[in-house]
Amino acid sequence: GIQVEQSPPDLILQEGANSTLRCNFSDSVNNLQWFHQNPWGQLINLFYIPSGTKQNGRLSATTVATERYSLLYISSSQTTDSGVYFCAVDHPNSGNTPLVFGKGTRLSVIA
Amino acid sequence: ETGVTQTPRHLVMGMTNKKSLKCEQHLGHNAMYWYKQSAKKPLELMFVYNFKEQTENNSVPSRFSPECPNSSHLFLHLHTLQPEDSALYLCASSHTRNEQFFGPGTRLTVL
Repeated sequence: GIQVEQSPPDLILQEGANSTLRCNFSDSVNNLQWFHQNPWGQLINLFYIPSGTKQNGRLSATTVATERYSLLYISSSQTTDSGVYFCAVDHPNSGNTPLVFGKGTRLSVIA
Repeated sequence: ETGVTQTPRHLVMGMTNKKSLKCEQHLGHNAMYWYKQSAKKPLELMFVYNFKEQTENNSVPSRFSPECPNSSHLFLHLHTLQPEDSALYLCASSHTRNEQFFGPGTRLTVL
């Protein structure tokens, strides 16, 4: 099946710093989603981005489908950005398994 | 608020108990999903329902029994669970193979 690898696995930032999270996938994808899981376990949709670039406030994402990677940019980080960031992809040949998740990047933003 | 609700939010049960988790979506989606997230592990897909029909059972033990009476409601019936079944159980919904939206999860502890 398709492999989804996220890096780095852990990241500690000072408040106000910028960061880039990476998601590599091993095959072509129909869809790609970025999620933020807060400390209470809620998965929050950040981007639905099979290709191209999108921005939402301090966050932006770019997916280069032909090179099989996606990047999530966080600018001017805040303590509320802490949590785990997941990338998930939908592979055309994954049968009825619509999303395959990476292991996540755990982000800690300290004041 | 993602439009997907789950109850209860927390559940403690003994190994001989029978309990049910409930999920409801208010987004008009036709597909619903159960995921399991154990400590420090990626999300594992358990079941997929599409237009009330189960289309995926990801080798889940029979002590987990899903039920989807209509496209808006999804249940997970639990019986004779093991301590290793303790985890966060997440429900999600989407249009078929489209962007998924998650509920807040039920944190289950099996004693």
